[in-house]
Amino acid sequence: AQSVTQLDSHVSVSEGTPVLLRCNYSSSYSPSLFWYVQHPNKGLQLLLKYTSAATLVKGINGFEAEFKKSETSFHLTKPSAHMSDAAEYFCVVMTRGDKIIFGKGTRLHILP
Amino acid sequence: KAGVTQTPRYLIKTRGQQVTLSCSPISGHRSVSWYQQTPGQGLQFLFEYFSETQRNKGNFPGRFSGRQFSNSRSEMNVSTLELGDSALYLCASSLALGLAGGTDTQYFGPGTRLTVL
Repeated sequence: AQSVTQLDSHVSVSEGTPVLLRCNYSSSYSPSLFWYVQHPNKGLQLLLKYTSAATLVKGINGFEAEFKKSETSFHLTKPSAHMSDAAEYFCVVMTRGDKIIFGKGTRLHILP
Repeated sequence: KAGVTQTPRYLIKTRGQQVTLSCSPISGHRSVSWYQQTPGQGLQFLFEYFSETQRNKGNFPGRFSGRQFSNSRSEMNVSTLELGDSALYLCASSLALGLAGGTDTQYFGPGTRLTVL
């Protein structure tokens, strides 16, 4: 069985400081992992994805994530937060032939 | 290239009614998936269609159904609406098989917000 856990429901950081959104997964097979962002009243936008190539994945808007198999983690980071990063972020796990599983989401707040 | 479009964007219905939501995928995409998003349950997978066939289904009652047309456009229908069906319904399209046969990236539409009174 597969699952995904986003360890924080809310994260607050000051503008210009680093962002860390944590995600742990459980999967019987080699998973594909994704991070999506959802701004208020908008659909989901793909930030980045891991599909068994490089373990450090770079995405849009300066975000990146590192796949750590030993820790079953896929944490999302950004060196310097911007006000426009305030949104909800979803970690997603997919395996071949199985259902997509979304994390519960982490709401990122950016403090001025 | 135009993104995934969903219509209508907002909908208000009363209990017992039925509703049909529409989704037009990105041109060339053949897989369409539907999701329900609520504050309590988060994002939950409803079903996936590929080449007019349902390929995968989540754990929702039979009141939730869908179909896909030959041009890959998809509709989702909910019959006998309940208050708990109030949610944001998201549609996503992908190039090939999506969930059923691969891990193609899914691209999401803006959603239809359904309110059941």
